Amino acid sequence: DTGVSQDPRHKITKRGQNVTFRCDPISEHNRLYWYRQTLGQGPEFLTYFQNEAQLEKSRLLSDRFSAERPKGSFSTLEIQRTEQGDSAMYLCASSPGGARYGELFFGEGSRLTVL
Amino acid sequence: AQTVTQSQPEMSVQEAETVTLSCTYDTSENNYYLFWYKQPPSRQMILVIRQEAYKQQNATENRFSVNFQKAAKSFSLKISDSQLGDTAMYFCAFMKQTDSSYKLIFGSGTRLLVRP
Repeated sequence: DTGVSQDPRHKITKRGQNVTFRCDPISEHNRLYWYRQTLGQGPEFLTYFQNEAQLEKSRLLSDRFSAERPKGSFSTLEIQRTEQGDSAMYLCASSPGGARYGELFFGEGSRLTVL
Repeated sequence: AQTVTQSQPEMSVQEAETVTLSCTYDTSENNYYLFWYKQPPSRQMILVIRQEAYKQQNATENRFSVNFQKAAKSFSLKISDSQLGDTAMYFCAFMKQTDSSYKLIFGSGTRLLVRP
């Protein structure tokens, strides 16, 4: 068990470019979450998957954001036509569910800087 | 909609002393879970403690304990015998207990500094 890994750890891009982040959850976890965190704030929910199904998506998430989890394994979060307001830490977490309800295992995050 | 409020942006405590972090929440749900998560500097967030709303007994995990007041919608975290490694951001979080939603809603956090 190597924990939740995210790649890249840091991405600098110019406004208008597309970026994609990858998350590899803990292998036996069927739930996967994406959160966004800005400096000094708590994580803001973006979306979550149970296996390959995207079950919930934040209403705050614009159409420029899309997430996938093919085959219920790793997940990708793509941001199209980035804006400076997208600059944040993007956190991925996975959860085993069951008796450990609500216990999320977080990755170290992918920091996005939009110039 | 559920909201979680942490009214203390920063707190400081002397090593070995006790500190209490506050959290209030707003919900119309009767069944839910509450959590405290810890985010050390430049490290990933980890779960500290969990409380089921249907349980009257307050949860404890070693030096960490909670004071859960359901009627007041209050959920504070007490850290006893504070250690330097407790320096971190602490987030209170809420989750509904349903089959259709498993998202955690986080507060804005409290930055705790443990002084040597």
